[in-house]
Amino acid sequence: GENVEQHPSTLSVQEGDSAVIKCTYSDSASNYFPWYKQELGKGPQLIIDIRSNVGEKKDQRIAVTLNKTAKHFSLHITETQPEDSAVYFCAASKSGTASKLTFGTGTRLQVTL
Amino acid sequence: DTGVSQDPRHKITKRGQNVTFRCDPISEHNRLYWYRQTLGQGPEFLTYFQNEAQLEKSRLLSDRFSAERPKGSFSTLEIQRTEQGDSAMYLCASSPFLRDTEAFFGQGTRLTVV
Repeated sequence: GENVEQHPSTLSVQEGDSAVIKCTYSDSASNYFPWYKQELGKGPQLIIDIRSNVGEKKDQRIAVTLNKTAKHFSLHITETQPEDSAVYFCAASKSGTASKLTFGTGTRLQVTL
Repeated sequence: DTGVSQDPRHKITKRGQNVTFRCDPISEHNRLYWYRQTLGQGPEFLTYFQNEAQLEKSRLLSDRFSAERPKGSFSTLEIQRTEQGDSAMYLCASSPFLRDTEAFFGQGTRLTVV
């Protein structure tokens, strides 16, 4: 089955700096890669996603890149703010499997003032 | 609030007791999923429904676990004879049929077995 690895496990940046989180996946048939933000005591919130027919997608301060050949994808957050502090999860799935997502182990992002 | 709703938010139970959780998906989402999340880990897939049909179950779902979605709307997850290892956050998610990969999660039910 699919295996998703995520790093770093923790990341501390100063407010205004950029943050990058990287994930690799093992199943070349995976074609959907969402990113979730999870705040303490809450469920994961979908923040951005990318499909395998696209190499990059941007939404305001958040961008995701995908390298299908290398089987890795990354989340980029620019101009970080304290409210960006949370745990971020990458995930992978493939069409025809509904949303049976395989998640990474998470990155705890701390944005300091 | 039109998001995925889960009840209860927290449950503390003694080992050996049965517990049941409820999930109300986003209206008109015909796919519903259950995931389990332990501390410091990402969510792990347990099972999913398309309408009232349970189409897939993970090997994580032992025979003490049962899930239903009787009318294709809300779902329940029951754990019988709870064990301390069942302590986790149980997350429900739903997705629309035509976009079968976007999943929207509820707030979860945190289960503590003492």
